[in-house]
Amino acid sequence: ELKVEQNPLFLSMQEGKNYTIYCNYSTTSDRLYWYRQDPGKSLESLFVLLSNGAVKQEGRLMASLDTKARLSTLHITAAVHDLSATYFCAVPRGDYGGSQGNLIFGKGTKLSVKP
Amino acid sequence: DARVTQTPRHKVTEMGQEVTMRCQPILGHNTVFWYRQTMMQGLELLAYFRNRAPLDDSGMPKDRFSAEMPDATLATLKIQPSEPRDSAVYFCASGWGRDSPWNTGELFFGEGSRLTVL
Repeated sequence: ELKVEQNPLFLSMQEGKNYTIYCNYSTTSDRLYWYRQDPGKSLESLFVLLSNGAVKQEGRLMASLDTKARLSTLHITAAVHDLSATYFCAVPRGDYGGSQGNLIFGKGTKLSVKP
Repeated sequence: DARVTQTPRHKVTEMGQEVTMRCQPILGHNTVFWYRQTMMQGLELLAYFRNRAPLDDSGMPKDRFSAEMPDATLATLKIQPSEPRDSAVYFCASGWGRDSPWNTGELFFGEGSRLTVL
């Protein structure tokens, strides 16, 4: 059974600091997705990582994927308050070669950035 | 502006009542997913469809939940009878099928239907 684990689950940061969120998964997958959710809102797609070694950056966020280690990281650089949200990683379940969607989500990391 | 549309956004009902949630996927997407989000369980996949055919509904309690796609523009999730433990946010998501040249496996989520069963 595919398990997706994130850590930490809660993260309180000061503005201007750097930190990394980790996402481990238990079975083979060549792709991984990061989403952001604001309280009471939908899930917004942040990054789509489609191969081993993939790295994507958007503003202060950078995501990478190591399929051999079954690990993805979401790195936050010089955090600002606007980044406060819950971040989810998701991995496709093994059927259909991973291209079918059917994403299994981690529990989420609730990030709070304080002045 | 292509987006997944869900109705109702909020629903409060009493135990035993029937609840129907609706979803309009993004035009052209042929995979549709229903997820449930709770504090305790996080995001759970309930069911999904490809080209309107159900592919997997193993995450759904079959005795009270049913999911259908009457046509390509409408997916429904029905709970009958509803129970307090069904209180959650129900998200619909859609994506390109694996044969689509645009497919990356990425899912696009609706705003969710927040259900409260008293």
